[in-house]
Amino acid sequence: AQKVTQAQTEISVVEKEDVTLDCVYETRDTTYYLFWYKQPPSGELVFLIRRNSFDEQNEISGRYSWNFQKSTSSFNFTITASQVVDSAVYFCALSDNAGNMLTFGGGTRLMVKP
Amino acid sequence: EAQVTQNPRYLITVTGKKLTVTCSQNMNHEYMSWYRQDPGLGLRQIYYSMNVEVTDKGDVPEGYKVSRKEKRNFPLILESPSPNQTSLYFCASRIKPTADHTDTQYFGPGTRLTVL
Repeated sequence: AQKVTQAQTEISVVEKEDVTLDCVYETRDTTYYLFWYKQPPSGELVFLIRRNSFDEQNEISGRYSWNFQKSTSSFNFTITASQVVDSAVYFCALSDNAGNMLTFGGGTRLMVKP
Repeated sequence: EAQVTQNPRYLITVTGKKLTVTCSQNMNHEYMSWYRQDPGLGLRQIYYSMNVEVTDKGDVPEGYKVSRKEKRNFPLILESPSPNQTSLYFCASRIKPTADHTDTQYFGPGTRLTVL
């Protein structure tokens, strides 16, 4: 069975601080896919990134960066110079190889204070 | 505009009163899915459908039914709702799970259900 753990339930930072959201996963599949979603206060789910298990290159998109480490089964998300608009709940998710089942972590609520 | 719609967006009901939450997508997607979101538990998959007349259980199917009689619609049915089904529900669709997962999964806006 698949499992995703986001140990940080809530994080509070002051604007312009860097913050890292942790994600640890478990799977027996050799091929799998990892995702991050953002859920702002308005409630919709916003797709941020997809990563497959064969691609361990780190990715940067503006102030966002992701660190995938297969050796520790982690897929951490860093926001550099956080802004108030980054305040949201962030979910890490894991998909099986077939793509039918998507398993989410419990989410991390990020509060960025001005 | 490509979208997934859900109705109703908010619903308060009582224990045992059958209800249906509708989900519709206008993208001709084959794959549709239902999730429930609860604090601390994230989103958990209830049911999914690979195509018309093809449905399968997710992680938490107990107390729910689904049907997929046509491609665009995937209603979630609670035959006898109970308070532990109070939750935020999301419908999602994707064109078809691909081997490289490059297809995008679209989520609906959510339905907040309260069962008293």
